[in-house]
Amino acid sequence: NAGVTQTPKFRVLKTGQSMTLLCAQDMNHEYMYWYRQDPGMGLRLIHYSVGEGTTAKGEVPDGYNVSRLKKQNFLLGLESAAPSQTSVYFCATRRLAGAQETQYFGPGTRLLVL
Amino acid sequence: AQSVTQPDIHITVSEGASLELRCNYSYGATPYLFWYVQSPGQGLQLLLKYFSGDTLVQGIKGFEAEFKRSQSSFNLRKPSVHWSDAAEYFCAVGARQAGTALIFGKGTTLSVSS
Repeated sequence: NAGVTQTPKFRVLKTGQSMTLLCAQDMNHEYMYWYRQDPGMGLRLIHYSVGEGTTAKGEVPDGYNVSRLKKQNFLLGLESAAPSQTSVYFCATRRLAGAQETQYFGPGTRLLVL
Repeated sequence: AQSVTQPDIHITVSEGASLELRCNYSYGATPYLFWYVQSPGQGLQLLLKYFSGDTLVQGIKGFEAEFKRSQSSFNLRKPSVHWSDAAEYFCAVGARQAGTALIFGKGTTLSVSS
């Protein structure tokens, strides 16, 4: 039981390049989220998904796209990377079960855009 | 608007001294409340959570937090800090509606002096 995994752990991109971050979970959770973390800003929600085939925008969606073709995977895409997207990206999943409500985080992906 | 405020950006506490980290929230209804801890270069680990019932909740590593509805606060406490507690701490709130993501505060960095 790996929980929430993220691939890759670290990546360096040049401005204008594209890439996809993969989040995978083996807990059968319906809800998945992508956050970015920047110094002094806490975690800000980029996009989220409430189930397979559905996605929605969060607080800071510009420059990102997502897909949830399979329940266990949530992909975050950068079509044309910009230096402002240098950040640490966290994926999270959520189980809604009344008092057992908990959000689980992956280990993060560090992205540097030059 | 929904928000979480952690008034202290950085706190230094002597090892063995008590600790209190402040968290205030603005929310339309009674939210779920969480405290997470993040060590440098690591992901987020759940310390404790409040859903309902007893307003004093116990967490891991000797931490506790008290929900005060009248003050819209959920402060984190520990009676005796250890050097290993040095980390960044995030307060978060979540709605009881399905699909909503957690809203995070900007974090408080804890340093422990010997």
